[in-house]
Amino acid sequence: EADIYQTPRYLVIGTGKKITLECSQTMGHDKMYWYQQDPGMELHLIHYSYGVNSTEKGDLSSESTVSRIRTEHFPLTLESARPSHTSQYLCASRGRGSGANVLTFGAGSRLTVL
Amino acid sequence: GNSVTQMEGPVTLSEEAFLTINCTYTATGYPSLFWYVQYPGEGLQLLLKATKADDKGSNKGFEATYRKETTSFHLEKGSVQVSDSAVYFCALTRDGANNLFFGTGTRLTVIP
Repeated sequence: EADIYQTPRYLVIGTGKKITLECSQTMGHDKMYWYQQDPGMELHLIHYSYGVNSTEKGDLSSESTVSRIRTEHFPLTLESARPSHTSQYLCASRGRGSGANVLTFGAGSRLTVL
Repeated sequence: GNSVTQMEGPVTLSEEAFLTINCTYTATGYPSLFWYVQYPGEGLQLLLKATKADDKGSNKGFEATYRKETTSFHLEKGSVQVSDSAVYFCALTRDGANNLFFGTGTRLTVIP
């Protein structure tokens, strides 16, 4: 049973549209992450957050932005989508204690920009 | 720095064959090591992990042993099934690190 939820699972939109990918987790985890997964499968960290009001850019530069107003919610926004943004976006979180090093992933949002 | 080098795929095996997917790492200190699996159309799931040298992680018939002397964490399964067809990612992290470092993934296809 998933404890981290991503919507939409699939999205096809036209160039120039604004989109928001939603990510919510019910585990009370402080740390949350967004990865971009290219067709070659490789994962690239694009954003992460240590907690409410904390956001940082990841290893791969991205035109997307994120916010963390509530612990459980970490949405990703593209103000003006382009075909180069076509990708799979994976959200993840991790907690503290014995599970601190384990990432829990959502099912992903596959974005296609025409 | 920290990095993971993973065996390139794709790997195609017949059902009941033996599987090895190689993974070596570079890290300072004593990282924790992981194998994640991604089934078609889904996100990544933790398959197994090991947190110190000589630990063996195991799950669903898969095993991997943390070998500090060879900086390796190879994934093995004695008899694969069609349902094991997926992409497998080796990863590491260190206590206090911002992130997990992932390998590039290995696609496994098991044919009946």
